[in-house]
Amino acid sequence: DTAVSQTPKYLVTQMGNDKSIKCEQNLGHDTMYWYKQDSKKFLKIMFSYNNKELIINETVPNRFSPKSPDKAHLNLHINSLELGDSAVYFCASSHTTPIGETQYFGPGTRLLVL
Amino acid sequence: TQLLEQSPQFLSIQEGENLTVYCNSSSVFSSLQWYRQEPGEGPVLLVTVVTGGEVKKLKRLTFQFGDARKDSSLHITAAQPGDTGLYLCAGAPNAGGTSYGKLTFGQGTILTVHP
Repeated sequence: DTAVSQTPKYLVTQMGNDKSIKCEQNLGHDTMYWYKQDSKKFLKIMFSYNNKELIINETVPNRFSPKSPDKAHLNLHINSLELGDSAVYFCASSHTTPIGETQYFGPGTRLLVL
Repeated sequence: TQLLEQSPQFLSIQEGENLTVYCNSSSVFSSLQWYRQEPGEGPVLLVTVVTGGEVKKLKRLTFQFGDARKDSSLHITAAQPGDTGLYLCAGAPNAGGTSYGKLTFGQGTILTVHP
């Protein structure tokens, strides 16, 4: 009965490699997000998709490319990984409520670039 | 750019003590949310406040939204070790229509409650 799931949970890789993180939600939400949480626990939005359309694209290197094959999935591909990409990446989804959007987060993917 | 200043950054207290976490901004938000994140997991929503001056209670947790909708506080009464975690405030921009979830997060408060 997992709501938002991410794979893998841990990812250790070398600089220069290309890697992907997958996210799926079974909540029937229309909007999905990718966040990056740095070592100081600061959480910052990277991308947002609504009904498979890119809505938010913050200042993120173009080495990061999100892909949403359908409303339930949002994957993140990272090319030419750098040391500074090491962080925890969270996927989230939301529905719109009259009092604002409640976001449901996945468990996170811990990326370590060596 | 809307910024949320959260304080304190770290809080280490004994079981039974009270504490308050603050979230301040110079910007107005349409709503403000509080999340709690435990180690190894994603943030989980605790509450959303929408109306200026609103106060919401969740057991021992009391959340308040400032009258001008620029700041918020989280007060925990008689803290317990189970309250240990990272507390994050997040504001939704004061724009018409849906913001598509463009939340601005505070830096977080790491709370440790010792038995």
